[in-house]
Amino acid sequence: ELKVEQNPLFLSMQEGKNYTIYCNYSTTSDRLYWYRQDPGKSLESLFVLLSNGAVKQEGRLMASLDTKARLSTLHITAAVHDLSATYFCAVIPNFGNEKLTFGTGTRLTIIP
Amino acid sequence: DAGITQSPRYKITETGRQVTLMCHQTWSHSYMFWYRQDLGHGLRLIYYSAAADITDKGEVPDGYVVSRSKTENFPLTLESATRSQTSVYFCASSEGEGRNSNQPQHFGDGTRLSIL
Repeated sequence: ELKVEQNPLFLSMQEGKNYTIYCNYSTTSDRLYWYRQDPGKSLESLFVLLSNGAVKQEGRLMASLDTKARLSTLHITAAVHDLSATYFCAVIPNFGNEKLTFGTGTRLTIIP
Repeated sequence: DAGITQSPRYKITETGRQVTLMCHQTWSHSYMFWYRQDLGHGLRLIYYSAAADITDKGEVPDGYVVSRSKTENFPLTLESATRSQTSVYFCASSEGEGRNSNQPQHFGDGTRLSIL
């Protein structure tokens, strides 16, 4: 059974600081997705990572994928309040049940 | 506007009642999905559909029924609601699925369901 673990689960950080959210998964995969969810809202797709070494950047967010380590990172640069949200990674395994499996999410709070 | 809409947004019902959550998408996506979101569990797949009249179970299907008579609609029914089914339910759609798709799933705004 595929397990997707994110850490930290909760993160408070000051504006202007840098930080990284980690997403580890337990089986072979080269398809990983990052989503953002604001409180009471839907999930918004941020990044689609489809190969080892893939790196995507949008504004202050950068996501990368290391399929050999079964690890993806979401790096936040010079955080601003608008980035406060819950971030989910989700993985599609290469074999077996090819369904999207979500991590439990990282709730990020940016403090002014 | 194109998109995916869920109704109702909020629903309160009693144990034992039947309740149906609606999902409608205008993209003509082949694949549609139902997830539930609970604290500490992220999102878990309930059922999915690859096309009209093709549905299959996900990770947590017990107590739920789905149908898909038209491509654009994918209703989820709780035949006899239980308190453990209190959750936020999200519908999603995508062009492809699994390793046949490079696109993300697109999510509706969710239905917050409370069962008393």
